[in-house]
Amino acid sequence: KAGVTQTPRYLIKTRGQQVTLSCSPISGHRSVSWYQQTPGQGLQFLFEYFSETQRNKGNFPGRFSGRQFSNSRSEMNVSTLELGDSALYLCASSLDSSIYGYTFGSGTRLTVV
Amino acid sequence: DQQVKQNSPSLSVQEGRISILNCDYTNSMFDYFLWYKKYPAEGPTFLISISSIKDKNEDGRFTVFLNKSAKHLSLHIVPSQPGDSAVYFCATPLGGSEKLVFGKGTKLTVNP
Repeated sequence: KAGVTQTPRYLIKTRGQQVTLSCSPISGHRSVSWYQQTPGQGLQFLFEYFSETQRNKGNFPGRFSGRQFSNSRSEMNVSTLELGDSALYLCASSLDSSIYGYTFGSGTRLTVV
Repeated sequence: DQQVKQNSPSLSVQEGRISILNCDYTNSMFDYFLWYKKYPAEGPTFLISISSIKDKNEDGRFTVFLNKSAKHLSLHIVPSQPGDSAVYFCATPLGGSEKLVFGKGTKLTVNP
């Protein structure tokens, strides 16, 4: 079966711009979680969506937002980009909103210049 | 403050030898731990887990040990192979089971 697909794989944006990243979960998975990976902070939880509802949110500013569509695909948006937002953004899907069944995508590498 | 700590950013071992990756945690209420392996340009993949009702879990060359009194777990890889070269993260569920808290990772290099 197809894995978790994240698009685009790489992105370069300028400070102040906004960006939208996409995640298509494994077919049948209803939960999508987003993580940010940076060299200094490691992997940090952004938010989790289940059946189009945000269930959990991490400690990130309001510039980071997301949504989930009825087909479980998810997008995350970052507005007013800062240099510190440069990171690998990973999404993970699972069948039932449980981390025990996580499958991660390969991520979107965002560079803010 | 980090709730899960991997204090060694990197580890280098010779092929065939044992690799030991360590992880400490701060909250004694944490009761389940997972190890993920990550290659460059790929997402993390689940490797092995352990519940606090056990002190050891083994899967092939990989064994995880849990010392609850010390709030410490370790991942042993025996024998290490060059294909094991990757970044290893330990993680634990927080706030129920819907999100993971990760350590910062240890980069393992296995030299042929």
